[in-house]
Amino acid sequence: DTGVSQNPRHKITKRGQNVTFRCDPISEHNRLYWYRQTLGQGPEFLTYFQNEAQLEKSRLLSDRFSAERPKGSFSTLEIQRTEQGDSAMYLCASSFGSNYGYTFGSGTRLTVV
Amino acid sequence: QKEVEQNSGPLSVPEGAIASLNCTYSDRGSQSFFWYRQYSGKSPELIMSIYSNGDKEDGRFTAQLNKASQYVSLLIRDSQPSDSATYLCAVSTPGGGNKLTFGTGTQLKVEL
Repeated sequence: DTGVSQNPRHKITKRGQNVTFRCDPISEHNRLYWYRQTLGQGPEFLTYFQNEAQLEKSRLLSDRFSAERPKGSFSTLEIQRTEQGDSAMYLCASSFGSNYGYTFGSGTRLTVV
Repeated sequence: QKEVEQNSGPLSVPEGAIASLNCTYSDRGSQSFFWYRQYSGKSPELIMSIYSNGDKEDGRFTAQLNKASQYVSLLIRDSQPSDSATYLCAVSTPGGGNKLTFGTGTQLKVEL
């Protein structure tokens, strides 16, 4: 499988718990992006990496969110002390260099109860 | 003003007709423009990219870009029921490392 892989596909968690999502990009892609999408909205940028360096993080993103991409391969997105407002689809995408469209993974749907 | 604006629809067209989807953007420095198709419950899928003024055709899809008017459009010829989906317009942020800003999407319904 040469696509972008995300795990888990679905996650239900209680408010206040921590959750971690994983993304495996297309192997030759050096850029990796995290987006969040809620119903009826377009994807909203969270953060992106070029290789292992996190180059930008959305100013709207709470400090409860953190992302890593050790060794420039897979990435993890952690949300601490989840809130109901964190319920959304979390999308990972990768691209080769700049100025190219992304390939998205299938997403992780988070429900905070 | 939203950075990328699309009419949310739904846009209904009969099978075989041309569907026309429109998008405007606010940042004059934007240089890369993309159309994604998203089926309900699925992730976005890239269908077209355009970087210079004019038209770009790929099969039944034509993307049109007018940077002076800050306007991007997508035409779908011979629309099929399988084209029924939400179409997202995305614009790259100048100097933003290919960070894309998405519109809210236009829902297209192709009716038999």
